[in-house]
Amino acid sequence: DAGVIQSPRHEVTEMGQEVTLRCKPISGHNSLFWYRQTMMRGLELLIYFNNNVPIDDSGMPEDRFSAKMPNASFSTLKIQPSEPRDSAVYFCASSSGDSREQYFGPGTRLTVT
Amino acid sequence: DQQVKQNSPSLSVQEGRISILNCDYTNSMFDYFLWYKKYPAEGPTFLISISSIKDKNEDGRFTVFLNKSAKHLSLHIVPSQPGDSAVYFCAAVTGNQFYFGTGTSLTVIP
Repeated sequence: DAGVIQSPRHEVTEMGQEVTLRCKPISGHNSLFWYRQTMMRGLELLIYFNNNVPIDDSGMPEDRFSAKMPNASFSTLKIQPSEPRDSAVYFCASSSGDSREQYFGPGTRLTVT
Repeated sequence: DQQVKQNSPSLSVQEGRISILNCDYTNSMFDYFLWYKKYPAEGPTFLISISSIKDKNEDGRFTVFLNKSAKHLSLHIVPSQPGDSAVYFCAAVTGNQFYFGTGTSLTVIP
């Protein structure tokens, strides 16, 4: 298995632009998580899906952030409009069944100038 | 508000010695704890976990200790190896909510 796949690996954009991050979870996993990593706060859970349904989005910082999971093999995290303070590494992770072990993707490093 | 704290941002240990990484939490509802290891430019990878009904779990060179009364978790690596140099995150779980610490960067000196 290729593991969790994220794209792009790096994204540099200007303030005000729309940014879309993509994630393909491990086949067969039914839970998907989006995290943001910063030096100050470590890994913060933004949102998680179970069976393609958003279960908890309380970690989404603002209305500028939105996430979708149209099917079991694909999810997006969108920031519109982006701001410099959104600069961070964004990770996607997936897990299966009742397992609490999450498998992380390599992350997308976002820089907003 | 950080519910999971790793107060040591970095740690250096000589090869062959013991590495002890610490983690404190505030929420008594956490019932499962995990340690993840992260190399640069990679995502975190699962290392070891422990349920709140236990106070110790061992896997090879890695042992996790849980002190529920102190709300304290620690990871022991013995003997430490240069390949263990990485950032280590602790995580605490209640329901499907995961809370991660800010990480401790471990450097094992050959």
